[in-house]
Amino acid sequence: EDQVTQSPEALRLQEGESSSLNCSYTVSGLRGLFWYRQDPGKGPEFLFTLYSAGEEKEKERLKATLTKKESFLHITAPKPEDSATYLCAVQGSGGYQKVTFGTGTKLQVIP
Amino acid sequence: DTAVSQTPKYLVTQMGNDKSIKCEQNLGHDTMYWYKQDSKKFLKIMFSYNNKELIINETVPNRFSPKSPDKAHLNLHINSLELGDSAVYFCASSQGQPGELFFGEGSRLTVL
Repeated sequence: EDQVTQSPEALRLQEGESSSLNCSYTVSGLRGLFWYRQDPGKGPEFLFTLYSAGEEKEKERLKATLTKKESFLHITAPKPEDSATYLCAVQGSGGYQKVTFGTGTKLQVIP
Repeated sequence: DTAVSQTPKYLVTQMGNDKSIKCEQNLGHDTMYWYKQDSKKFLKIMFSYNNKELIINETVPNRFSPKSPDKAHLNLHINSLELGDSAVYFCASSQGQPGELFFGEGSRLTVL
């Protein structure tokens, strides 16, 4: 069965203090790794898809990278509005359309 | 203009009651889903429908019955509610890539 583990569970940063969130996964035949942002009381919002090791995607202060065992979400010079829970998910080849989520990293950026 | 909308946003009910949640998407996507997010924020797929056809039915009690009258709508009916059903239920849709999901705002169900 596909598994996703995210660390840390929670992260508190000062505004401007760059850091990385980790997503470790085990999957049979990776079809895609996905990053989402979830604000309190809202549904997750899709950020990135990564398909193969070595791939990188960027959006504003966020950059996602992928290796064969894990993905990182790098946050450069974060702002308070980046505060949210970041979810990682994978789709393997075993289950049609089945996507497995991690439990997320709750990021708080303090002004 | 809301892409995926679900109603109601909040449900509070007693054990043993029946409740329904409605979902509509205006994105023109072929596939719709129900996900359950528990108190630990773990998001788990329950059902997937593609063009009104059931594709995924995870190990969900048969008290949960999804219905898709057309590809823009996916409703969820829950019979004989139990305490453990308390969670946030998210409707989502996708087109092509199942991992690129558009979620609704969620329906928080509390069973007393």
